[in-house]
Formats: sequence, structure tokens, C-alpha cells
Amino acid sequence: AQTVTQSQPEMSVQEAETVTLSCTYDTSESDYYLFWYKQPPSRQMILVIRQEAYKQQNATENRFSVNFQKAAKSFSLKISDSQLGDAAMYFCVHNTNAGKSTFGDGTTLTVKP
Amino acid sequence: GAVVSQHPSWVICKSGTSVKIECRSLDFQATTMFWYRQFPKQSLMLMATSNEGSKATYEQGVEKDKFLINHASLTLSTLTVTSAHPEDSSFYICSARNEVRNTEAFFGQGTRLTVV
Repeated sequence: AQTVTQSQPEMSVQEAETVTLSCTYDTSESDYYLFWYKQPPSRQMILVIRQEAYKQQNATENRFSVNFQKAAKSFSLKISDSQLGDAAMYFCVHNTNAGKSTFGDGTTLTVKP
Repeated sequence: GAVVSQHPSWVICKSGTSVKIECRSLDFQATTMFWYRQFPKQSLMLMATSNEGSKATYEQGVEKDKFLINHASLTLSTLTVTSAHPEDSSFYICSARNEVRNTEAFFGQGTRLTVV
């Protein structure tokens, strides 16, 4: 079984500043994937960044990067140069090889102008 | 554009009636699709795994006779909420993965169900 824990229900950041969202997980899988998804008010799930567990290198996608610590089962998301459009609920997600997703409880990010 | 299409995006139905929600993978085949439920300001909870050509696998606590799942083709899974009650009102989301390309799961747009 898998569990995903996001310990920050709400976070806020000043526009143009940097913010880090925390995520820890537990898994019985030897091979898995980790994702951060963004869910704006429209409720459409939008992929932010993806990390294959077998890769040691941290994934980076423009202003978004992760700090993946496999041994510690930690997968934090750093958003640099925050923009107003980044405001949303962010979910940390564990995926098995079969595609089954386990979601954290989410972190609501507010960006202050 | 969307690679997983979910329909309808919202529906209002009367108590006691049934409502069907469709989830289609648009440009890939998926032997497995997933159905999630999301309450306001909460996380997504997996309800069931839809398997093409066989019975769905339901998570603990999910009534299989209430939430009927049919995965009749490699591009379509349907969730039917039977004899709907107001407590079934929720946001339902499906997902599917391109198993050949081993991609991440793509999510449908979601369906907001309101039972009155």
C-alpha cells in the first residue's frame, strides 16, 4: 500500500519569490513514479512535474523543480519566481507502474501580489 | 489538447435516478482506467480500477452495486451512479495512462454531480 503526506494545508508566497511545498510518502513498490499536480478552481488536474523513482537526478521544469530524496521518501516541490497564475491546490501523487494514483491531501498555495 | 475526455462535465439528477459518466482516452488505448471521487477542498480518493473486458476492482468501502463500472472497449470506461442520493453529490474524475508509452496518468476534466 502507498500513502502520501502533505503536511502543509496552506502556503502563501509573495509574487516573484520562491516557495517550497513538502511531501513525504511510503510505498511497497520497488519501481514507481512521483508527480506534482496542480488543480486550479476549474478543478482540471494539470501535471506540473514528474519524477521516475529510478532516476537520481532531480526533475526540473522551467520554474518548477523537485528535491527527491529516495531514502528519506521525500519529494518536495520548489516554485521559483512565483506568479499569480501559480495559485492553486497542489497535490503530491505516487503512481504505481500500473498507473494507480495515491494522492496527498493537497496544499493550497496563495500568491500575493 | 485533452487526451482523456470525460462527459458530462456537470449533471443534475433527481434522487432515485441513475446517471452515467463516460471517460474516453482519445489517442491511445487503455486496458486500465481509474475512477476517483473528490469532495470540496479535499483530496482525490480512488473508488475503483476499471479493467477492459473484466470486472472492476473496487476500493474498500465503495459499493459496487451503487457505482457500476463498465470498460467495454480499450478507449471507454463508464461509471453509472445508480439510485442516486444527495450524499452521492460530488466531483468524479477518471484517469488513464498510455501504457505503451508508459506515460503519467492523464485526467479527465471531471464531472460535478448534484443530486436533488
